[in-house]
Amino acid sequence: QSALTQPRSVSGSPGQSVTISCTGTSSDVGGYHYVSWYQQHPGKAPKLMIYDVSRRPSGVPDRFSGSKSGNTASLTISGLQAEDEADYYCCSYAGSYTHYVFGTGTKVTVL
Amino acid sequence: QVQLVESGGDVVQPGRSLRLSCAASGFTFSSYAMHWVRQAPGEGLEWVAVISYDASNKYYADSVKGRFTISRDNSENTLYLQMNSLRGEDTAVYYCARDSYGEYFLDYWGQGTLVTASS
Repeated sequence: QSALTQPRSVSGSPGQSVTISCTGTSSDVGGYHYVSWYQQHPGKAPKLMIYDVSRRPSGVPDRFSGSKSGNTASLTISGLQAEDEADYYCCSYAGSYTHYVFGTGTKVTVL
Repeated sequence: QVQLVESGGDVVQPGRSLRLSCAASGFTFSSYAMHWVRQAPGEGLEWVAVISYDASNKYYADSVKGRFTISRDNSENTLYLQMNSLRGEDTAVYYCARDSYGEYFLDYWGQGTLVTASS
């Protein structure tokens, strides 16, 4: 199972919006409504930001939103803030045996 | 509150074995599937293995199949990863993570433990 494809980096100024894409196949992203997104600051554990493509856990700001079309999922951060600077990973369920496949990761830089 | 605390990471020679532990607290451990996820230095996340709530089902990434064994002790609220025949490419921070109940995402993660396979 190959990793899902994400852009290596995206950047934006405070207040702007950025979108991170996550491209897989019909065996993972396109086959299930189970895409999640994780934020990881340097030296820290990943933190769940989005699950089931577009649902936000309690405590995650509503400037984080998710969507999916076909084999590609997306995470949008609106109203970018300094604390949003981190690495972001998408993840998709891929069936019982493979279970989860992660994206290659995207570094978000706040200019 | 939910806490997951990994331990057991060390520097080991290639070909040797190591066992990682993950102590869980703040939730009913025996009701949740649990995972190991790893991250090589400067690299992305890689799913390693999952074990069902009752240990009846276990699945592994191809990269570790036949070498790693996931297990759990529900009486001790502890998750394990037995790693045999370690390779240089197994060098990574290993995280344990809780699977969401009845869904497919990882809702809580430990802080990780570093395994270095090097001579």
